[in-house]
Amino acid sequence: NAGVTQTPKFRILKIGQSMTLQCTQDMNHNYMYWYRQDPGMGLKLIYYSVGAGITDKGEVPNGYNVSRSTTEDFPLRLELAAPSQTSVYFCASSRKTGTGNQPQHFGDGTRLSIL
Amino acid sequence: GENVEQHPSTLSVQEGDSAVIKCTYSDSASNYFPWYKQELGKRPQLIIDIRSNVGEKKDQRIAVTLNKTAKHFSLHITETQPEDSAVYFCAALSGGSYIPTFGRGTSLIVHP
Repeated sequence: NAGVTQTPKFRILKIGQSMTLQCTQDMNHNYMYWYRQDPGMGLKLIYYSVGAGITDKGEVPNGYNVSRSTTEDFPLRLELAAPSQTSVYFCASSRKTGTGNQPQHFGDGTRLSIL
Repeated sequence: GENVEQHPSTLSVQEGDSAVIKCTYSDSASNYFPWYKQELGKRPQLIIDIRSNVGEKKDQRIAVTLNKTAKHFSLHITETQPEDSAVYFCAALSGGSYIPTFGRGTSLIVHP
């Protein structure tokens, strides 16, 4: 299994541009998440999904949108890029089980700079 | 909601020493506590986790202890090595939740 795959790894955007960060997982996990991590800081939840067709806002959703049309894919869309969105973006997934919570598996991240 | 406090924010030790990172949580319903290690420029990766039905779990040089009464759990690393240098995040989840609450992280520096 490849686990959680994110593309691109790096991107530089101009203010006002749009882009989609791709995330796909091959572990058949129900739950998927998008986090941002600013330099030297912790993880802030942007959006999450509990299954195909279901998404919900996290702690810092403004300026972002997501969709979950399949179990595998969970893209993150930036519509009007702003310098404050310069960050490292991590996609994660976890499995739903009847025996309790399971750990999250993270992708390698997308390093995004907005200039 | 859940609140997780993590201390210290920075920990500097000499190679071979032990390191202890402590997290406290507020929600008594939390029952799953993972620890993640994030090396510089890399993704967070699970290193150990513990569920509320056990008090301690070990994996080689790493151990986690849980005190449900006091609502705190700790990561213990023995015989530290330079490759243990990283940021460590604790997290807590309750049985009915799929969104972990993370601590702010501890930067561990192991000096050779």
